[in-house]
Amino acid sequence: DQQVKQNSPSLSVQEGRISILNCDYTNSMFDYFLWYKKYPAEGPTFLISISSIKDKNEDGRFTVFLNKSAKHLSLHIVPSQPGDSAVYFCAASDSGTSGSRLTFGEGTQLTVNP
Amino acid sequence: ETGVTQTPRHLVMGMTNKKSLKCEQHLGHNAMYWYKQSAKKPLELMFVYNFKEQTENNSVPSRFSPECPNSSHLFLHLHTLQPEDSALYLCASSQVRDSAYEQYFGPGTRLTVT
Repeated sequence: DQQVKQNSPSLSVQEGRISILNCDYTNSMFDYFLWYKKYPAEGPTFLISISSIKDKNEDGRFTVFLNKSAKHLSLHIVPSQPGDSAVYFCAASDSGTSGSRLTFGEGTQLTVNP
Repeated sequence: ETGVTQTPRHLVMGMTNKKSLKCEQHLGHNAMYWYKQSAKKPLELMFVYNFKEQTENNSVPSRFSPECPNSSHLFLHLHTLQPEDSALYLCASSQVRDSAYEQYFGPGTRLTVT
């Protein structure tokens, strides 16, 4: 039972344009969401997070939007840069259970073309 | 050393071998995790340790045996593995608190079972 799904395995955008990565979840108990970026031969790197009490969180070029009614979150990167090319994972947590347990999506490979 | 380190980075072992993976975190965190990442699959949580106590074993076969001697070190002992156990094994750590569950990952050990 895949509780966090990233339905697009890959996304290709032009440098300077907006990248939008999507994530859907099924567990209504999830109340904290995170995005990670992963380069080849490295571990995932924490990028940005959002609590379920918010619908938007912004950090520089990265913005995460949360739509609780649709159980959907998205990561916007603008402007996209070639260095953003990586695999992006969304993850979700239910603070009522073991607290720090994260459930990950399958990842989306983003390629930013110069 | 900073962050989360893992050794070895690559490991090839036969099905009858015994080996150990090592993880060390230099972030002062109180929780550590083992994940498995197989090709085209989400990260799978294997074990969770909070304050050196194992709080979660995600139905992992007994041929994987974790050990957490202190809050900075985590081991994964491997014995009589199967070829399907070939994967990237990631260690992570976090500071467990009421909110915010960012986990910080090491670079991973690429394991090949022959």
